[in-house]
Parts: sequence; C-alpha cells; structure tokens
Amino acid sequence: NAGVTQTPKFRVLKTGQSMTLLCAQDMNHEYMYWYRQDPGMGLRLIHYSVGEGTTAKGEVPDGYNVSRLKKQNFLLGLESAAPSQTSVYFCASLPSLGQARNEQFFGPGTRLTVL
Amino acid sequence: AQKITQTQPGMFVQEKEAVTLDCTYDTSDQSYGLFWYKQPSSGEMIFLIYQGSYDEQNATEGRYSLNFQKARKSANLVISASQLGDSAMYFCAMRPFTGNQFYFGTGTSLTVIP
Repeated sequence: NAGVTQTPKFRVLKTGQSMTLLCAQDMNHEYMYWYRQDPGMGLRLIHYSVGEGTTAKGEVPDGYNVSRLKKQNFLLGLESAAPSQTSVYFCASLPSLGQARNEQFFGPGTRLTVL
Repeated sequence: AQKITQTQPGMFVQEKEAVTLDCTYDTSDQSYGLFWYKQPSSGEMIFLIYQGSYDEQNATEGRYSLNFQKARKSANLVISASQLGDSAMYFCAMRPFTGNQFYFGTGTSLTVIP
C-alpha cells in the first residue's frame, strides 16, 4: 500500500495562476481532509469530505475549492492563487469516525509558493 | 467553539531525560478524542498516541504517555528517556465525537540536547 500520496511535492505559482493539488489514498478510506500549515499556526482545516461526492468547508475555505469524484481521490483547487496561499498543504484520510481511536493518516505534504 | 492550546513554542531536554509537552483544550462536547502527532524536520506527520475522553486510564505507547486530566481539560504528552531522534515539532489535536473535524494546536518544537 502506498498510503496517502500527494501530487506535486513542490510548486511555485505566480499570483493569479490556478492549480490543482491531488491527494490519493489506496486504503479505501471514507474521510479525507485538506489542511494548510503555516509557521506558528499549526494545521488549519480547509475542506473535508465524508465520502465520495461530498465535501464540506473547514476553518479556512476561502480561495479554495475541492472535489471528491472518486473515493480514493480528493482534489484541492486554487482558482486564482494569492501570496497568502503560500503554505505547506497536507492531505489526510481515515476509514471511519465514531467513538474510537481513529487517527488520521497524512500524506507527505505539498510545498506551494505563490510569488 | 473548539480550541487547542499549546503554550510552549519551544522546549529543550537533555538526552535520556523525560519531558512533558503541555496541551489544553476547550470543548463543550462530553465525548471526544485527543491525539498527539510528531513532525520531524523531514515534514511528515506521525501519529503517536490517542486518548478517548471516556478512557479511565492514561494512554501509553512505548516511551510516550498521555497525562490526561479531564477536569482540567489537559492532555499533556510525556516522553520518557528522550532520544536525539525525538527532536521535532509536536502537535496536539482533538476531535469532538459529535463532528467530523479535527482541531490542532500550534505545536511545540522539542530539541533534545546530547
């Protein structure tokens, strides 16, 4: 199993450009999340999905869109990149929720710089 | 509102000593899960330990233990016998069981001194 993979690992954009980050998991997980990590701010939730075809907003959704057309893939889109979106982006997944140990499995991260 | 607070931006510990990383949380939910993750300089997020709010005993995983004090809403991570490889960022997180979201603290940078 590859676990959770993210494509690309690094990207440099110019202000106003668009791009899509791909998160893929091969563990048949239902839940998938996109976070951004900025210095001194921990991980902040952008969007998440509780299953194929569903998405929901997190704490900082503005400027981002997501889609989950296939269970194994969760895409994060930036329509018009801004320097404030310079960050490290993490994807995470987990099989289910409920009142039990259910830690998230994280991808390796994507480092995005917007000039 | 849900909030995780990690008040120690940076910590130093001597190799082979124990260290406690603080985490307090704020939630109105009665049932929730608490998590600690390690992020080494290579950047990946590594799950360390889990504590359920209904668990009567503190969680332990090898050299990691979680000092859970429900009334004080604290979930401190204790690392025993520190090793050089423990130098990393450590994040505390919580998920209220009524929701789907996880909430993370701002992290503590731990440096182990030889």
